Amino acid sequence: GIQVEQSPPDLILQEGANSTLRCNFSDSVNNLQWFHQNPWGQLINLFYIPSGTKQNGRLSATTVATERYSLLYISSSQTTDSGVYFCAVHRIPPHTRGGGADGLTFGKGTHLIIQP
Amino acid sequence: DGGITQSPKYLFRKEGQNVTLSCEQNLNHDAMYWYRQDPGQGLRLIYYSQIVNDFQKGDIAEGYSVSREKKESFPLTVTSAQKNPTAFYLCASSISRERRWQQAFFGQGTRLTVV
Repeated sequence: GIQVEQSPPDLILQEGANSTLRCNFSDSVNNLQWFHQNPWGQLINLFYIPSGTKQNGRLSATTVATERYSLLYISSSQTTDSGVYFCAVHRIPPHTRGGGADGLTFGKGTHLIIQP
Repeated sequence: DGGITQSPKYLFRKEGQNVTLSCEQNLNHDAMYWYRQDPGQGLRLIYYSQIVNDFQKGDIAEGYSVSREKKESFPLTVTSAQKNPTAFYLCASSISRERRWQQAFFGQGTRLTVV
């Protein structure tokens, strides 16, 4: 199956700092998503970004599909940004029925702590 | 409100018992998924279903069973054969357009503890 690697595994920053989280994947994908898992365990959709660049407030993401990586940028960090950030991909399967054959494959996440 | 509803939020099970976790969606999505998360880990795929009456094993299907009798519902049964069932279980759904999966949405999860 496809491999998804996220870096760094842990990141501790002061409030106001900027950060870049990376996601590398080992195969062609037709879907890539970034999630934030809050302290209660819920996965919050941040970006659906199989290619290109998107921005949403202080967060932005870029996926370079041809080079098999995606980056999540967080600017002017706040303590509420703390939590685990996951990258997940749907690989392009060799033969499909109905448009896709697999579920999302997740990386192990980046645990971000923003200190006041 | 549109979304994915998982119930119960917390579940305690005695060893040797089967339990069923509920997942319902009103988003009219084709595909539904079940994931398991262990502490400090990412999510691993248990089962997925692309259409009604069809489902496929994911990476860690042993000890679990599912059904997909209705488009809106995808219950997961954790059987007594699952050796280490204590975990956080998440259900998701997504839709396919032009042979490309669109973004997946997740429920709030069920925490299962074996006592």
